[in-house]
Amino acid sequence: NAGVTQTPKFQVLKTGQSMTLQCAQDMNHNSMYWYRQDPGMGLRLIYYSASEGTTDKGEVPNGYNVSRLNKREFSLRLESAAPSQTSVYFCASILGTGLNEQFFGPGTRLTVL
Amino acid sequence: GQQVMQIPQYQHVQEGEDFTTYCNSSTTLSNIQWYKQRPGGHPVFLIQLVKSGEVKKQKRLTFQFGEAKKNSSLHITATQTTDVGTYFCAGIMGGSYIPTFGRGTSLIVHP
Repeated sequence: NAGVTQTPKFQVLKTGQSMTLQCAQDMNHNSMYWYRQDPGMGLRLIYYSASEGTTDKGEVPNGYNVSRLNKREFSLRLESAAPSQTSVYFCASILGTGLNEQFFGPGTRLTVL
Repeated sequence: GQQVMQIPQYQHVQEGEDFTTYCNSSTTLSNIQWYKQRPGGHPVFLIQLVKSGEVKKQKRLTFQFGEAKKNSSLHITATQTTDVGTYFCAGIMGGSYIPTFGRGTSLIVHP
């Protein structure tokens, strides 16, 4: 099993450009999450999906949209990138609810110029 | 904002010294999880505590959950260079299924 995979690993965008970060898991997990990690700020939840077909906002959703394409895939879209969105983005999945351990992907390092 | 406070933000130790990081929540937690992130890596699950007053050990690591289920600690005995990384706690608030992460404690071990 590959676990949680994310593409791309690195990306550089110009202000105003759009892009989609892809995440997939092969563990048949129900819940999937998108976090951003900034120095000294820990992991902040952007959006999550408790099950296929549902998505909800987390702590910092502004400037992002998500799609839970199927049980395996959960994508994060930046419609008009801003320098404040420079960060490391992690996708995670859980079997069931937050009462179980999260499995994280390797991350996408995004720079917006 | 963050509802799970974690201190200290950084800790420098000499190899062989002990290390402790603390998490405090303003509300009662259902459970708390601990993760380790190596430099350049992703968070990896270490352990979950569920019961009031629970203590769990993994080799040199000792995890505690407070009696009121509002605080937790991770203690490493006799640190090694392999312990370097950032340690995060993640609390699940009562009635929620969404983990709230602390800001993490970065451990630097000097050989």
